[in-house]
Amino acid sequence: AQSVTQLDSQVPVFEEAPVELRCNYSSSVSVYLFWYVQYPNQGLQLLLKYLSGSTLVESINGFEAEFNKSQTSFHLRKPSVHISDTAEYFCAVSNQGAQKLVFGQGTRLTINP
Amino acid sequence: DTGVSQDPRHKITKRGQNVTFRCDPISEHNRLYWYRQTLGQGPEFLTYFQNEAQLEKSRLLSDRFSAERPKGSFSTLEIQRTEQGDSAMYLCASSLAQPGANVLTFGAGSRLTVL
Repeated sequence: AQSVTQLDSQVPVFEEAPVELRCNYSSSVSVYLFWYVQYPNQGLQLLLKYLSGSTLVESINGFEAEFNKSQTSFHLRKPSVHISDTAEYFCAVSNQGAQKLVFGQGTRLTINP
Repeated sequence: DTGVSQDPRHKITKRGQNVTFRCDPISEHNRLYWYRQTLGQGPEFLTYFQNEAQLEKSRLLSDRFSAERPKGSFSTLEIQRTEQGDSAMYLCASSLAQPGANVLTFGAGSRLTVL
């Protein structure tokens, strides 16, 4: 069975500092990987996804994630965060051929001025 | 189309009452999913439909829970004889079945509080 572990439940950082949100998954087959973001009082929004091809994927607001098959990881990074990045971030995995996503427990990113 | 719509956004009920949530997916999407999210946790899969057929149900979906999608468009999730442990955010998502990955678009959720 698939599972996702987000190693940090909360990550506080200062504005303009770099950040990394860690995600490891467990699966016996090939996977698709996703990061979703949930801003306060809003629904989940897709931030970025890895389906195939280049292992480094980027979002439009400066986040990137790298698929590392040997380490079964898909960590999310941003070189310089803004107050507006304050949100909860969820990593999710889907087995290729499966129809549902399995989510991690989330990481709350708090940006301090 | 404005995305996935869920109604009501908030529901407060007393233990033992029945509640029903509605989800309107993106119109061209043929897959529809229900997830449950409790405080401090990630969303947990409950069930999904392709068109009107319910193709998978989680073991989390006890016999007090029933989901329908009668015409392959909107869906309802009913919880009978609610318990305090049912308090959670109920999320609906939809997607378009196509080769390759299934990318889900989520609604804002329906928050249930059982007193």
